[in-house]
Amino acid sequence: EAQVTQNPRYLITVTGKKLTVTCSQNMNHEYMSWYRQDPGLGLRQIYYSMNVEVTDKGDVPEGYKVSRKEKRNFPLILESPSPNQTSLYFCASSFGGLPVGNYGYTFGSGTRLTVV
Amino acid sequence: SQQGEEDPQALSIQEGENATMNCSYKTSINNLQWYRQNSGRGLVHLILIRSNEREKHSGRLRVTLDTSKKSSSLLITASRAADTASYFCATDASGVMRFGAGTRLTVKP
Repeated sequence: EAQVTQNPRYLITVTGKKLTVTCSQNMNHEYMSWYRQDPGLGLRQIYYSMNVEVTDKGDVPEGYKVSRKEKRNFPLILESPSPNQTSLYFCASSFGGLPVGNYGYTFGSGTRLTVV
Repeated sequence: SQQGEEDPQALSIQEGENATMNCSYKTSINNLQWYRQNSGRGLVHLILIRSNEREKHSGRLRVTLDTSKKSSSLLITASRAADTASYFCATDASGVMRFGAGTRLTVKP
């Protein structure tokens, strides 16, 4: 089944403790992206990647890191999480090329992160 | 920053009625997409319309695009209780796909 898999589904952590949310897709998509969703704010893009070893900042990159060493994986790293990073996170992937919205996105099921 | 803004924020209708949601955006676009999200779950792609298209259909969905007004509408005909969800428009701007805050649709059986 074609899908984007995120792990974990739920995570509660303490301020300052580094964490990684994994994202993997099995569709050979070139484009991958991370979003966070907060009430009333919709989805805001954190980082995106057009291909292996190519990443770029979205609208809210502060406090996050990403890497794209393999085509299928795009982990999101929070080096020192803070309570304002409590949110629902989504990974998405798409066929590549420009313009970026040329193909629909496939989303993962989400990771609900709470930082206390 | 949000590019698309959906209107209304919430919509409640009876099963069998049509539901119309609108999306306005600020800058020129290449494509506009609509997505659906069931509570707390991942978004599901519904339909994509390109800037040179004016109308597109997919099953009970009809999407229109007016680039002169920078707006789009999503019509769901003969709605069902299972259509209850949030609906988002997404537009590409400056190489980034941006989503609005969504319209929450409730279809009462």
